[in-house]
Amino acid sequence: NAGVTQTPKFRILKIGQSMTLQCTQDMNHNYMYWYRQDPGMGLKLIYYSVGAGITDKGEVPNGYNVSRSTTEDFPLRLELAAPSQTSVYFCASSYSRMGDDEQFFGPGTRLTVL
Amino acid sequence: ILNVEQSPQSLHVQEGDSTNFTCSFPSSNFYALHWYRWETAKSPEALFVMTLNGDEKKKGRISATLNTKEGYSYLYIKGSQPEDSATYLCALEGGATNKLIFGTGTLLAVQP
Repeated sequence: NAGVTQTPKFRILKIGQSMTLQCTQDMNHNYMYWYRQDPGMGLKLIYYSVGAGITDKGEVPNGYNVSRSTTEDFPLRLELAAPSQTSVYFCASSYSRMGDDEQFFGPGTRLTVL
Repeated sequence: ILNVEQSPQSLHVQEGDSTNFTCSFPSSNFYALHWYRWETAKSPEALFVMTLNGDEKKKGRISATLNTKEGYSYLYIKGSQPEDSATYLCALEGGATNKLIFGTGTLLAVQP
């Protein structure tokens, strides 16, 4: 199993550009999550999904969109990039609800918006 | 808004020292507590998931305890090694929310 994979690993965007961060897991996990990690702030949940076709907002959803058309994929879309979205983005997945099951994290995408 | 606090923020110890750090959280509406180990330039890896008051879990030289009534969890590392150097994150799921609230972590540096 490859686990959770994310692409790209690094990206620089100009203000106002759009991009999609890809996340794929091959563990047949129902639950998937997107976090951002800012220095000194810990991981903040952006969006999550409990299964294909179902998504919900986390703590910091503004400026992002997600979709979950398949169990494996959970892309994160930035429509109009802003400097405040400079961060490291982590995708994660778990088989069942978090209380019962650990989360598996991808390697992260480092995004800089200039 | 749930707040998860970890202390200390950072810790420097010598190889062979035993150490521990704390995760504090609101005791009301507790569902589960997670501990993750996060090495620089890698992604977080799960250490423990704890759900019951009084839980104690162990993995090699690392162990954790949980007190849901008073709202804290301790992580212990016995005989620290340089490879234990990492940030240790705790995360709370408060209630059946499907959401983890992460603390800011304790950065452990073990010097040979």
